[in-house]
Amino acid sequence: DSGVTQTPKHLITATGQRVTLRCSPRSGDLSVYWYQQSLDQGLQFLIQYYNGEERAKGNILERFSAQQFPDLHSELNLSSLELGDSALYFCASSTSVSSTDTQYFGPGTRLTVL
Amino acid sequence: GQQVMQIPQYQHVQEGEDFTTYCNSSTTLSNIQWYKQRPGGHPVFLIQLVKSGEVKKQKRLTFQFGEAKKNSSLHITATQTTDVGTYFCAGASTDSWGKLQFGAGTQVVVTP
Repeated sequence: DSGVTQTPKHLITATGQRVTLRCSPRSGDLSVYWYQQSLDQGLQFLIQYYNGEERAKGNILERFSAQQFPDLHSELNLSSLELGDSALYFCASSTSVSSTDTQYFGPGTRLTVL
Repeated sequence: GQQVMQIPQYQHVQEGEDFTTYCNSSTTLSNIQWYKQRPGGHPVFLIQLVKSGEVKKQKRLTFQFGEAKKNSSLHITATQTTDVGTYFCAGASTDSWGKLQFGAGTQVVVTP
C-alpha cells in the first residue's frame, strides 16, 4: 500500500460525458502527478500540482483539467469523453518538486468510455 | 524535447536466464529512476541513480547509469516468475524543471 488513494476504482461512461477522478496523496506529500496509461502503453504524464499550484504540464488535452485543493487532494476532470480516453489513470505523489523524489503511485482508476 | 526510450518493448525469458533492459535519453539526465509494475498493479519505485557511472544492486537486479548520464540499464540474473511485470525507467533532464519523463517500459514475461 503506497498511501495514495484514488477513487473510483472503475468508471464506465458514455462518449460525450464528463467524469471526475479523485486522488488523495500520501500524508505529508505536497506534489501530485496525473498519468494516463492506455493498453500496452507507457505512462503518459498529464499534469503536476505542488501545494495547490500547477507546476508542470505534459500531454494533457484541452478537454482535461485538474486542480489541487487546500487539503492537497487533487481531482482530474475529463470532459467530452471519447472512446480513445479509455485508459488507466494513475495519480502519484511525492514530497516536493524535485526530480529526485520518489513518486508513490495510487492503485489507479480504470476508465471505460462506451 | 526530452525523450526517454526503452528497449526491448517485450522480453520473454526462460526461468533461470539473465536479461537486460536498456533506457536511452536524447538529453543528459540529472537522475534516473526505475519502477516496476506488476500485472494489474501500479508502478512501484525500485531505485534511483544520480552519479555518472553509478552501479547499484538489489539482490538479483543490477542497475547502471551511463558515464555520459544519457543511458541506463537494468540487468536481472537468474530470472524468477516473481520478476514478471513491466519495468519503467524515468529520467529528468537537467533542464526539465524536475519533471520525470517515463519510458514506454519493458514488459517481461517469464516462462517456467
